[in-house]
Amino acid sequence: GQQLNQSPQSMFIQEGEDVSMNCTSSSIFNTWLWYKQDPGEGPVLLIALYKAGELTSNGRLTAQFGITRKDSFLNISASIPSDVGIYFCAGLEGSSNTGKLIFGQGTTLQVKP
Amino acid sequence: DAGVIQSPRHEVTEMGQEVTLRCKPISGHNSLFWYRQTMMRGLELLIYFNNNVPIDDSGMPEDRFSAKMPNASFSTLKIQPSEPRDSAVYFCASSGAQGNQPQHFGDGTRLSIL
Repeated sequence: GQQLNQSPQSMFIQEGEDVSMNCTSSSIFNTWLWYKQDPGEGPVLLIALYKAGELTSNGRLTAQFGITRKDSFLNISASIPSDVGIYFCAGLEGSSNTGKLIFGQGTTLQVKP
Repeated sequence: DAGVIQSPRHEVTEMGQEVTLRCKPISGHNSLFWYRQTMMRGLELLIYFNNNVPIDDSGMPEDRFSAKMPNASFSTLKIQPSEPRDSAVYFCASSGAQGNQPQHFGDGTRLSIL
């Protein structure tokens, strides 16, 4: 089946630094999503990307849908302590309209004040 | 608006017992998904429903697992009999009528089988 490779696996950065993480796939996705998960809670949607090449921002977060449809990145600018958590990419499988998502392994972000 | 609601939030039980996890999707959403999250395997899709009909249950680990969606506002995931290796966080998610509607997750049920 389809798999997503998410990197890096973990990051430990200083407050104020920018962060970049990415996902790659061997297969094409028509939709890319980025979620954040805080301890004890479910993943929360950050950004949804629907078109190849699309660049979308949500506050300090920026994500892009790769032109090949096989990759996506998420950038966080000027990190703050509340950015701590696990970030997941997810791709919507094929041309299905049933919404089945494939998740990356997650990037654990720690921010040092 | 209320999000996806799961109950219980925590469940601790002895192996061999039946476990029932419950989910109320977001009103108006017609797709519902059950996931399991562990350190070793990350987020795994167990089963999903469209319009209350199970579409893909290939992620259900064994016959001990079963899921139902009797109506648009309620779903259950049952494990019978439970085993220690079933310990995990189980998430329910729902999405809207269009195929590319993002999934919204509940806060999960943390299940511990002793």
